[in-house]
Amino acid sequence: KNEVEQSPQNLTAQEGEFITINCSYSVGISALHWLQQHPGGGIVSLFMLSSGKKKHGRLIATINIQEKHSSLHITASHPRDSAVYICAVAGDGNEKLTFGTGTRLTIIP
Amino acid sequence: SAVISQKPSRDICQRGTSLTIQCQVDSQVTMMFWYRQQPGQSLTLIATANQGSEATYESGFVIDKFPISRPNLTFSTLTVSNMSPEDSSIYLCSVEDLQTGIEQYFGPGTRLTVT
Repeated sequence: KNEVEQSPQNLTAQEGEFITINCSYSVGISALHWLQQHPGGGIVSLFMLSSGKKKHGRLIATINIQEKHSSLHITASHPRDSAVYICAVAGDGNEKLTFGTGTRLTIIP
Repeated sequence: SAVISQKPSRDICQRGTSLTIQCQVDSQVTMMFWYRQQPGQSLTLIATANQGSEATYESGFVIDKFPISRPNLTFSTLTVSNMSPEDSSIYLCSVEDLQTGIEQYFGPGTRLTVT
């Protein structure tokens, strides 16, 4: 079993829809990252969370430490949001990241 | 925040040759990380590079295949040696955030195709 699991693996939605991507992990963590990878390969860090909720523009990330679960939400989705979204966790006392396999999001105009 | 650039952004190389990828950061960082992302896969850590010391390699990766240099606090190189088609991947560097000590910033990646 992977230490970090994401769902769904693939998601296609219409422009304007509310999007939720889920991440579950099985180890104790010091922080959880949500990353965005565009087709060219470059990765952008969207959020780093250790508790609660963060919001940036149309993106919202939440984390429940007790349930070892995080969600990434996108409101009013747009075709430019089409990318692979990756959840990654930094273990307790360990700076190395463990990555989920990613969720491929496609927003159709 | 840190801004990271990588060179080259992409390359097509012949089997048996070597390619050196450069990673430049706009601020001084202690630790730099090199990752490989094979097609359809998630990121896999190759090694951690600290300035002034030898890189620490993860299981399955060896220095002869992936030599790393870290000459100063803003720069590192990863060489992919004696390439084979299996080395076709995206290679990314990342750096830790000095304030939090947690890795956070990623480079744009180098897309390597080996023919």
